[in-house]
Amino acid sequence: KAGVTQTPRYLIKTRGQQVTLSCSPISGHRSVSWYQQTPGQGLQFLFEYFSETQRNKGNFPGRFSGRQFSNSRSEMNVSTLELGDSALYLCASSLRTLDTGELFFGEGSRLTVL
Amino acid sequence: GESVGLHLPTLSVQEGDNSIINCAYSNSASDYFIWYKQESGKGPQFIIDIRSNMDKRQGQRVTVLLNKTVKHLSLQIAATQPGDSAVYFCAENKDTGNQFYFGTGTSLTVIP
Repeated sequence: KAGVTQTPRYLIKTRGQQVTLSCSPISGHRSVSWYQQTPGQGLQFLFEYFSETQRNKGNFPGRFSGRQFSNSRSEMNVSTLELGDSALYLCASSLRTLDTGELFFGEGSRLTVL
Repeated sequence: GESVGLHLPTLSVQEGDNSIINCAYSNSASDYFIWYKQESGKGPQFIIDIRSNMDKRQGQRVTVLLNKTVKHLSLQIAATQPGDSAVYFCAENKDTGNQFYFGTGTSLTVIP
């Protein structure tokens, strides 16, 4: 069974640009969450999608957005990039629906903003 | 501006010894906890979970203990191996859905 797949794995952008990251969850998983990981702040929750609807949102500015498609694949977008957005962006999928459950993480997309 | 990184607690153990990694969680209403292992360049990997109606759960070579009175979680790894070297995170869930709050992590180094 394939794991969570994130693309691209690495990317470099400049300030002011925007970026789109993609996540394909494990087959059958309908919940997809996004986390930002930095040395300064650790792992922080961005948002969670379930059945194409945003179910939870963390404390990030509106420049961070996401969506989920009918096949459960998810994308997140960061507009007007800032240096502080440099981070490892992790996607996690989960089988559980109304209840909480184990998160399966992808390898992450490492974004560097210059 | 200057970037200040998190001060990661570190733990060094000899191969074959037992390891204990501790975590203090923040919300007494949290009802589900997970321990994750993250190796360099990889995403976090599930180790073991526990719900708040339990105080102990065992897996293969790992045991998680939950003390709700003092909001403390621990991960015990038996017969630690070099492959156990990684950063370990505890995560708590205190809302509906899959929004987890992660601890700062502990870096475990196993000395052969």
